[in-house]
Order: sequence, then structure tokens, then C-alpha cells
Amino acid sequence: DQQVKQNSPSLSVQEGRISILNCDYTNSMFDYFLWYKKYPAEGPTFLISISSIKDKNEDGRFTVFLNKSAKHLSLHIVPSQPGDSAVYFCAASDESSGGSNYKLTFGKGTLLTVNP
Amino acid sequence: NAGVMQNPRHLVRRRGQEARLRCSPMKGHSHVYWYRQLPEEGLKFMVYLQKENIIDESGMPKERFSAEFPKEGPSILRIQQVVRGDSAAYFCASSSGQGNYEQYFGPGTRLTVT
Repeated sequence: DQQVKQNSPSLSVQEGRISILNCDYTNSMFDYFLWYKKYPAEGPTFLISISSIKDKNEDGRFTVFLNKSAKHLSLHIVPSQPGDSAVYFCAASDESSGGSNYKLTFGKGTLLTVNP
Repeated sequence: NAGVMQNPRHLVRRRGQEARLRCSPMKGHSHVYWYRQLPEEGLKFMVYLQKENIIDESGMPKERFSAEFPKEGPSILRIQQVVRGDSAAYFCASSSGQGNYEQYFGPGTRLTVT
């Protein structure tokens, strides 16, 4: 049962344009969402997060939008740079009873390619 | 290097052997998490440990897998009697607290079972 879904396995954009990566989730208990970036043969690198009490969080070129009613979040990268080419994972955790909100549930990832 | 360290980076084992994966968390972090990534999949939570305590091992297979985080030294993920299905990338992460704290990942150990 895939609770976090990234339906686009890959995305290709031109340098300087906007990259939009999407993520859907099914577990309404999820209340904290994170985006990680991963290069081949490396571990995931934390990019940006958002709590369910917000609908937007911005950090430099990266903005995450959360639509709780649609159970959807997206990561916007603008302007995109060739160095942004990597696999991007969406992850979520929930504030369920017992405080198990350390347990991240990951999507399968989207491979972003930014062409010069 | 103050990041999360994992070793070895690559490990090859024959079926039936034991695999030991090590993780040293970031300096100042006392919370360690292990995740497994199978080919074409996302990372899946395995276990959460604090020093000398297993907090949550709900993602660990019931048999052959164990984890520890001793008072001194790295966290160890141990897989006994490995099978081909254990071939995967194993990532360790650490954080400074429990809950909504960012988890910082190590480079992973790629286990290949032949």
C-alpha cells in the first residue's frame, strides 16, 4: 500500500525554467512533509519541509506547497539549474498516538533532469 | 567530516553469510534510523534507536535482522544468513531529537548477495 505517491518517474526541464515536482498522499494522519534530493551513490539530502499547519514554505529557489484537502504537495524550483538534476523524494510523517512521527514514509522518487 | 558516516559503502556476501553494516551519527545526534531501499523503490523505515535502546523496530523483518546502538561506538545493523532478497541499499539517518526534526542521511551501504 503506497501511502506516498510520486506519479511521475521523471521530469525534464530547461535551465532557467520552473521545475514542479508533485506528490500525493493517502494517509490523513500525515502532518509533516519533507523533500529530499538524492544523487547517485549518495544518501538523500534534506531540502525543505512543511508542517500541515502551513500551506507554503519557501527557502531560496525552493518552495513547497501543501493542499491538505487534496492531499497533495508540490515542490517548485525556480530558476532550475543543471546541478539540480537528481532524484527527488517526497516523504511524510504522522503525529499518531505514541508520537511515531519520526517514521518517514517515502515516495518512489522523481528523476529531474535540467538541460543546459 | 561531521556528517553521518556509514561503512562499508559496498558489501558483497554469499547466501547464508552474515552482513554487518555500521553507522556513526552526526556529532551531537543521539537518534539513529535505518532505512532500506530496494531497486526502483522509495526508502522504507526499518528501525529507530537511541543510545542503548531500540525505540521502534516495526519495519524490521521478524527474523535474521537485528540492530543495536551501544553506549560507545556506531550503530550496527546485522543481517544473519543473508538471502538474495536482502540485496538493497541500506541508509542510516540521524537527528538531534525525536519528532519533527530533520533526519540527515549517510551515503548508504550497498549490499549485494550472490
